[in-house]
Amino acid sequence: KAGVTQTPRYLIKTRGQQVTLSCSPISGHRSVSWYQQTPGQGLQFLFEYFSETQRNKGNFPGRFSGRQFSNSRSEMNVSTLELGDSALYLCASSNPVAGGNTQYFGPGTRLTVL
Amino acid sequence: AQTVTQSQPEMSVQEAETVTLSCTYDTSENNYYLFWYKQPPSRQMILVIRQEAYKQQNATENRFSVNFQKAAKSFSLKISDSQLGDTAMYFCAFMKQSGTASKLTFGTGTRLQVTL
Repeated sequence: KAGVTQTPRYLIKTRGQQVTLSCSPISGHRSVSWYQQTPGQGLQFLFEYFSETQRNKGNFPGRFSGRQFSNSRSEMNVSTLELGDSALYLCASSNPVAGGNTQYFGPGTRLTVL
Repeated sequence: AQTVTQSQPEMSVQEAETVTLSCTYDTSENNYYLFWYKQPPSRQMILVIRQEAYKQQNATENRFSVNFQKAAKSFSLKISDSQLGDTAMYFCAFMKQSGTASKLTFGTGTRLQVTL
C-alpha cells in the first residue's frame, strides 16, 4: 500500500497570506490527523477528521481550519499567516474502525512565513 | 489532560551497543496506547513500536523492545545492536483508547546519535 502523501512538500508565504495543505491517507484509512511541529513548541495536535467530520480539535486559533472529503483526503487551511506559523505540518492517517489506532505519518509540509 | 515527559534531550551510543531511552507519562485513563516514533533527518515520522496498556507483555520489534511499567507510568525503549541508521530523534507518544477520537500527545523527544 502506498503511504500517506502530503503536498506540497515546501511552501514559502508572506505574512497575511493564506495557505492550503493537502493530505492523502493510506488507502482504507478514514481518520486523518494534523500536527504542527516547531522547535519551540514541539509536536502539537491540530485536529482530527473522520468520515468528513471533525472529531477532535487542539488548542489553535480559528485561523487554522480543515476539512475532509468523501475519499478521506484532507486539507488544512491557515488564514492570515503569522511568522509563528512557520513549521513542519504533519498529517497522519489511521483506521480506527478496524481497531487500528496506530497513526502513520506523511513526510510533512515545511511552511515558511516571511 | 495527559502529559508525556522525556528527560533525556540527547544521547549517544556506539554502533553495536545497546541504549535505553526513557519516557514517563501522566494520565488518569486506564485504557490507552503508547508509541515510540523515530524522526530521522529526513523528518519523516516513522513508527517504531506500539504498546497497549492492557497487555502486560512488553512489545518487541526486532532490535527494539520496551519496558512498560504501568503502575510507575514508565515506558522506556531499548535499542539493541545499534546501527548508524538508528540516528534520529525519538518521540514517545500517548493515545487514549477511544472509539471516537484519535489524538497523540508527544514528549519533547530524545536526539540519539549512533557513532562508529
